[in-house]
Amino acid sequence: AQSVSQHNHHVILSEAASLELGCNYSYGGTVNLFWYVQYPGQHLQLLLKYFSGDPLVKGIKGFEAEFIKSKFSFNLRKPSVQWSDTAEYFCAVNAQGGTSYGKLTFGQGTILTVHP
Amino acid sequence: SAVISQKPSRDICQRGTSLTIQCQVDSQVTMMFWYRQQPGQSLTLIATANQGSEATYESGFVIDKFPISRPNLTFSTLTVSNMSPEDSSIYLCSVAGLLDTQYFGPGTRLTVL
Repeated sequence: AQSVSQHNHHVILSEAASLELGCNYSYGGTVNLFWYVQYPGQHLQLLLKYFSGDPLVKGIKGFEAEFIKSKFSFNLRKPSVQWSDTAEYFCAVNAQGGTSYGKLTFGQGTILTVHP
Repeated sequence: SAVISQKPSRDICQRGTSLTIQCQVDSQVTMMFWYRQQPGQSLTLIATANQGSEATYESGFVIDKFPISRPNLTFSTLTVSNMSPEDSSIYLCSVAGLLDTQYFGPGTRLTVL
């Protein structure tokens, strides 16, 4: 069974600071990787995704993530955060094929608070 | 991406009763999923609902407690049966789009008293 671990439960930053949220997964096969974001009072939205190819993927609002296969990691980064980035961020994984096909497994979530 | 709506958006229910949550998609999709997000926790998959077949439940979830219908390619319902306060959660449906990307509905916030 696959599992996802996010290292930080709550991150507090000031505007313009750089952000890196850690995500590690456990699965023996090939996976698709996602970051979702949930802004206060809003529903879950896709931030970015990785399926194959260039391990550095860019998403919306200046976010990017790097897939490091050897470390089973998919960390989310942003060079300069804004107050509007305050939200909860979820890392998720699903398997490419097999009995777990299509099923998303989520990490515990990281709450990001950005102070103006 | 698909546009997904859920009804109701929230509800407060008495223990022992049942609530049916509806999920409507603006396009035909093969795979739909139901998740639960308990207070302060992450999302957990309840079941996968494919049109024309029985829903597939994850470990810890059973059909008697969470019956699911999938009558066509744009609609599904999840019923939370014989509710207890422990069922207080946000229930979300999602659909699988291109390249296995899932898109989520706004969720139904359920409070059981």
